[in-house]
Amino acid sequence: NAGVTQTPKFRILKIGQSMTLQCAQDMNHNYMYWYRQDPGMGLKLIYYSVGAGITDKGEVPNGYNVSRSTTEDFPLRLELAAPSQTSVYFCASTPRGGGFTDTQYFGPGTRLTVL
Amino acid sequence: DQQVKQNSPSLSVQEGRISILNCDYTNSMFDYFLWYKKYPAEGPTFLISISSIKDKNEDGRFTVFLNKSAKHLSLHIVPSQPGDSAVYFCAASDTDKLIFGTGTRLQVFP
Repeated sequence: NAGVTQTPKFRILKIGQSMTLQCAQDMNHNYMYWYRQDPGMGLKLIYYSVGAGITDKGEVPNGYNVSRSTTEDFPLRLELAAPSQTSVYFCASTPRGGGFTDTQYFGPGTRLTVL
Repeated sequence: DQQVKQNSPSLSVQEGRISILNCDYTNSMFDYFLWYKKYPAEGPTFLISISSIKDKNEDGRFTVFLNKSAKHLSLHIVPSQPGDSAVYFCAASDTDKLIFGTGTRLQVFP
């Protein structure tokens, strides 16, 4: 199993551009998550999904959109990129979620810079 | 409002000694806690967890202690090794998601 994969690893965007961060998992996990990590700020939840066709906002959803058309994929869309979205983005998945005896498995991250 | 807090941004410990990383939380409804370890340029990886029905969980060199009355948990690493140098996040389970602390950077020196 490849686990959780993320593409691209690095990206530089200009202000106002758009892009999609890709995330895929091959573990048949129902729950998937997008986080951002800013220096000294821990991991902030952007969006999450408890199954195909279901998504919900996390703590910092503004400026982002997600979709979950399949169990495997959970892309994160940035529209009109802003410097405040410069961060490292992590995708994670877990088998079940609620009750939470299942740990989350993280991808390697995407480092995004908006100039 | 930060519901999970790690008040020490960094910790430096000599190899072979004990490392103690602390975490405080504000919501008494949290019933499951996890510690993650993160190396540079990698995603976090799960280290150890504890349910609120326990006050201690041990896995090799790693032990997590939970004090529910104080809303405090700690991670003990004994003995510390240079390979333990990383950022450690504590997290609390909240229904379908985790709430993470800001992390503590541990450096283990020879």
